[in-house]
Amino acid sequence: QVQLVQSGAEVKKPGSSVKVSCKASGGTFSSYAFSWVRQAPGQGLEWMGGIIPMFGPANYAQKFQGRVSITADETTSTAYMELNRLRSEDTAVYYCARAASQSSVTTDWGQGTPVTVSS
Amino acid sequence: DIVMTQSPDSLAVSLGERATINCKSTQSVLYSSNNKNYLGWYQQKPGQPPKLLIYWASTREYGVPDRFSGSGSGTDFTLTISSLQAEDVAVYYCHQYYSTTPTFGQGTKLEIK
Repeated sequence: QVQLVQSGAEVKKPGSSVKVSCKASGGTFSSYAFSWVRQAPGQGLEWMGGIIPMFGPANYAQKFQGRVSITADETTSTAYMELNRLRSEDTAVYYCARAASQSSVTTDWGQGTPVTVSS
Repeated sequence: DIVMTQSPDSLAVSLGERATINCKSTQSVLYSSNNKNYLGWYQQKPGQPPKLLIYWASTREYGVPDRFSGSGSGTDFTLTISSLQAEDVAVYYCHQYYSTTPTFGQGTKLEIK
């Protein structure tokens, strides 16, 4: 059974960085497409970027280009999302999600990691 | 980016009645080489991650009740709940995975009238 287990809640200061992890179990980690999707309080779903570990570099939504970095560690079956230069508008729940391939629908979701940015 | 626009933003339907949510994309999400629409529908309840209901615009995910159905092609899509149950109260999102930068609709909040 596929499981995506994310790291715990974070509280950060404006201008700092946050790194969220997502450990996957079940299936072949390197061939899946991992995405990061965030949801601000009371708002909708926003795709930030994604990576297929066996193919290397991530691709990002234009809105987050230069501020987000998505990586994957095949040795530990863990995907990471690091967001830099945090501002209050980055307060959201960050979800890790998984699809069978880049051209497949996302089927599995992590439990979400709340990130609060506050001075 | 492909922009997905849902209508209505919110909807109140009586138990047992039909609920219909529409989704329109700014460009076609139909891939001509395989005749598949790269369009999915998700249900999200408070405090939970989204749950996949429909993919390829009309294929029901395993375990999803058959009162949920999806239709449409190209740029116009519909999610229909044939007979609303209390547990269907949620926010519903359409999602295109046609492009390398997937996008979601803004969501439709479904309530009981």
